[in-house]
Amino acid sequence: DAKTTQPPSMDCAEGRAANLPCNHSTISGNEYVYWYRQIHSQGPQYIIHGLKNNETNEMASLIITEDRKSSTLILPHATLRDTAVYYCIAGPNTNAGKSTFGDGTTLTVKP
Amino acid sequence: DGGITQSPKYLFRKEGQNVTLSCEQNLNHDAMYWYRQDPGQGLRLIYYSQIVNDFQKGDIAEGYSVSREKKESFPLTVTSAQKNPTAFYLCASSFTGQGLSNQPQHFGDGTRLSIL
Repeated sequence: DAKTTQPPSMDCAEGRAANLPCNHSTISGNEYVYWYRQIHSQGPQYIIHGLKNNETNEMASLIITEDRKSSTLILPHATLRDTAVYYCIAGPNTNAGKSTFGDGTTLTVKP
Repeated sequence: DGGITQSPKYLFRKEGQNVTLSCEQNLNHDAMYWYRQDPGQGLRLIYYSQIVNDFQKGDIAEGYSVSREKKESFPLTVTSAQKNPTAFYLCASSFTGQGLSNQPQHFGDGTRLSIL
């Protein structure tokens, strides 16, 4: 799996968009980008994933650069309940059993 | 509702004892995984299984053992050989196989293991 780099922490004002960056400069052509989040003392929750195209679902949007070396997770209207650790993973597929969840980005949404 | 159930939520172990953590899923997923999480850190893979009666070591398998006798169940045993077992243990599952290789993992709510 490609190594990913994320900032350790970010703050966001409630109601504003939260933009969480992830660098995966060594990603290969068949590797997807996945995002999960973990609220304290719970299991990680899947958010979204993509290969080349930008993706959107009810939770978030994923913007992948054209060269696929970086991506941004966008929470369009952050709420206090979005405070969590966000993990970015790049790999051929999570089923390969080699996914590594790094330390992620701790997002704090403030009133 | 479909999901992954881990039990118990909290577990205490005396030094020198083996202890088994339960993980059950009713999502009809082929693959199952065990991760360890230490405070303030990310998840590290212990073992994974892509099919019944088969499993592979992850990055930190020493001191742990697993079995996969049924598709729905993937118990993890923390043996006395694991010198620092206090941690948060997470089980996950996913689809696998041709055409489903990009399916995400679904996680349980974890078991917190402590040494008495």
